Amino acid sequence: GQQVQQSPASLVLQEGENAELQCNFSSTATQLQWFYQSPGGSLVSLLSNPSGTKHTGRLTSTTVTKERRSSLHISSSQTTDSGTYLCAIDITAQVVGQLTFGRGTRLQVYA
Amino acid sequence: GALVYQYPRRTICKSGTSMRMECQAVGFQATSVAWYRQSPQKTFELIALSTVNSAIKYEQNFTQEKFPISHPNLSFSSMTVLNAYLEDRGLYLCGARLPGKSQNTLYFGAGTRLSVL
Repeated sequence: GQQVQQSPASLVLQEGENAELQCNFSSTATQLQWFYQSPGGSLVSLLSNPSGTKHTGRLTSTTVTKERRSSLHISSSQTTDSGTYLCAIDITAQVVGQLTFGRGTRLQVYA
Repeated sequence: GALVYQYPRRTICKSGTSMRMECQAVGFQATSVAWYRQSPQKTFELIALSTVNSAIKYEQNFTQEKFPISHPNLSFSSMTVLNAYLEDRGLYLCGARLPGKSQNTLYFGAGTRLSVL
C-alpha cells in the first residue's frame, strides 16, 4: 500500500482563506519534508519537520510522530501559493535522505 | 539562490536514443545525490542513491544498465537515460543534502523534463 497518503487531493480557495493539508504515513519516519512544486515542475523545500511544530512565514507544520501524521497550514493564502504541495518521509537512517513522496495536494487560489 | 543546478531544463529525444542530464551542487559539496523521476500523473519515485566512492544503489524498478550514473566528485553528478521510450517521459530531479543543515533534508534542482517522441 501507499506509504505516504495526502489529503485532500485538491483544494480550491479564495485569496485570503486558510488551507490545511494533511499527510499520513504508514512507517516510522526519521525525517519529514514538505515541498512545493510549481506549475512548471520545480521542487522547493518548504519545511523539514520530523516532529513538533515549525513555522516559516505563513506556513505552519505540525507533525505528531507517534500518530504518523503531519499537517501543513497555509494562512492568508495568495494566488502565488497555487501549485502542488508534497509530503515526503524518510524511513531510513541514511544521511542522503531516501525520500518517499505522497501524491500531493493540488492547491488553487483564486483572486 | 539555487543550491542545486540541473541541466538541461527540458529536452526531447527520439524513441530509442539516449539522453544525459547533469546535476551540479552550487557552493557546497554533495557527498550523496539522490535521483528521482516524476512520471506523468504520478508522484516522485527514487531511481538511485549515489555516494562518492561507493557503489550506486538502484531501486527495484531501475537498473544501472538503463540509468547509468556518474558521480566523479563532490559537486557533480550525471545520469543517462539509455534507449529512452515513452514510459521514460517525466521530470527527473536530483537532490543533495546541504552540509550543516538538519540531517536528511534534501534540496532539489529544478529538474530536467524529458519528452520522448
